[in-house]
Amino acid sequence: DAGVIQSPRHEVTEMGQEVTLRCKPISGHNSLFWYRQTMMRGLELLIYFNNNVPIDDSGMPEDRFSAKMPNASFSTLKIQPSEPRDSAVYFCASSAGGKGTEAFFGQGTRLTVV
Amino acid sequence: AQKITQTQPGMFVQEKEAVTLDCTYDTSDPSYGLFWYKQPSSGEMIFLIYQGSYDQQNATEGRYSLNFQKARKSANLVISASQLGDSAMYFCAMREGLASGGSYIPTFGRGTSLIVHP
Repeated sequence: DAGVIQSPRHEVTEMGQEVTLRCKPISGHNSLFWYRQTMMRGLELLIYFNNNVPIDDSGMPEDRFSAKMPNASFSTLKIQPSEPRDSAVYFCASSAGGKGTEAFFGQGTRLTVV
Repeated sequence: AQKITQTQPGMFVQEKEAVTLDCTYDTSDPSYGLFWYKQPSSGEMIFLIYQGSYDQQNATEGRYSLNFQKARKSANLVISASQLGDSAMYFCAMREGLASGGSYIPTFGRGTSLIVHP
């Protein structure tokens, strides 16, 4: 398996523009997580899906953020409109779901909003 | 309250020496999993080692071992014979609690930056 695949790797956009981040989890994994990493706040969970259903989105900072998982092999995180404070590295991770199973991370998307 | 606490923002070690990275956790769940990840400067998150709360033995993976002290709620990572390539951020994580919708959300500490000197 190729692992968790995220695209794009880097994104630079102007304030106010819509940004869409994409993720392909590992085949067979039933849990998918979106994290945001910043120097100030570390790794924060934004949202988590189980069997394609959003279970916990309490970490989504504002209504400007939305996430979807239309099928088991694809998820998106959208920011509309984007703001400079959204600049961060966004990680997607997937796992088989149990307490003893590690989460596998994608390479991350480095987002810069200018 | 922090679920995972890593008190060492930065650590330095001489090449070929051993180093211990601290991690304490907070949970009331008797069943949980503890993980360590490495994040080199390239940015990817690499899984290193896992310890289950019911495991009797400390986990080991090559040069990595986990010093698990359950009563103290401590899960320190020990890296033996440090190499220059070990320079990276290291994160401790935990999966615990009641399954939310069928999964257990990994919670991460703030990380420790390790620099290995030649």
